[in-house]
Amino acid sequence: SQLAEENSWALSVHEGESVTVNCSYKTSITALQWYRQKSGKGPAQLILIRSNEREKRNGRLRATLDTSSQSSSLSITATRCEDTAVYFCAPSNMGYKLTFGTGTSLLVDP
Amino acid sequence: NAGVIQTPRHKVTGKGQEATLWCEPISGHSAVFWYRQTIVQGLEFLTYFRNQAPIDDSGMPKERFSAQMPNQSHSTLKIQSTQPQDSAVYLCASSLVDGYEQYFGPGTRLTVL
Repeated sequence: SQLAEENSWALSVHEGESVTVNCSYKTSITALQWYRQKSGKGPAQLILIRSNEREKRNGRLRATLDTSSQSSSLSITATRCEDTAVYFCAPSNMGYKLTFGTGTSLLVDP
Repeated sequence: NAGVIQTPRHKVTGKGQEATLWCEPISGHSAVFWYRQTIVQGLEFLTYFRNQAPIDDSGMPKERFSAQMPNQSHSTLKIQSTQPQDSAVYLCASSLVDGYEQYFGPGTRLTVL
């Protein structure tokens, strides 16, 4: 079974709207990362949030972490067409070993 | 900085043939990772090198798969006697040895006919 999974296979929003992707995980962690993968490319890190942090921001992105419920969320405000991608959460309890979730495919329509 | 370079981008092999995939990590990064991505299994960790030494190969299939890092500028993933189920995108990533962030290459799409 997956150690991490996003709770939506796919989401669709109109440009300018906000969207949230949720993730649940099944292991103790030292950090959780959010990655984005665009078509034909490898994943790229968006945000890293450590286990002692509750929230982290990076521009239009905001990640939250709740270690008690073993869940995390990634919110994107003022979405753009270029935000269209697959979003993965990746918890880790060792610095190097990432376990990727199943991914949420986000489509941002113009 | 060209990022992580992977070659070839696409490879087609016949069943039973050998495939060698190449990865050039970002200069100065001491950690190199290999992952496999399929629709069914998602992104799976295969193996990890630190300062060219193999540290964790727990995700590597025990037969037919091997990985090496002969020098700090490249790593190879070799699949012997390829099978159709080996068809996937193979991703290489590198990071600073103590860093969490991994920088991924574009991947090599392997198709085994």
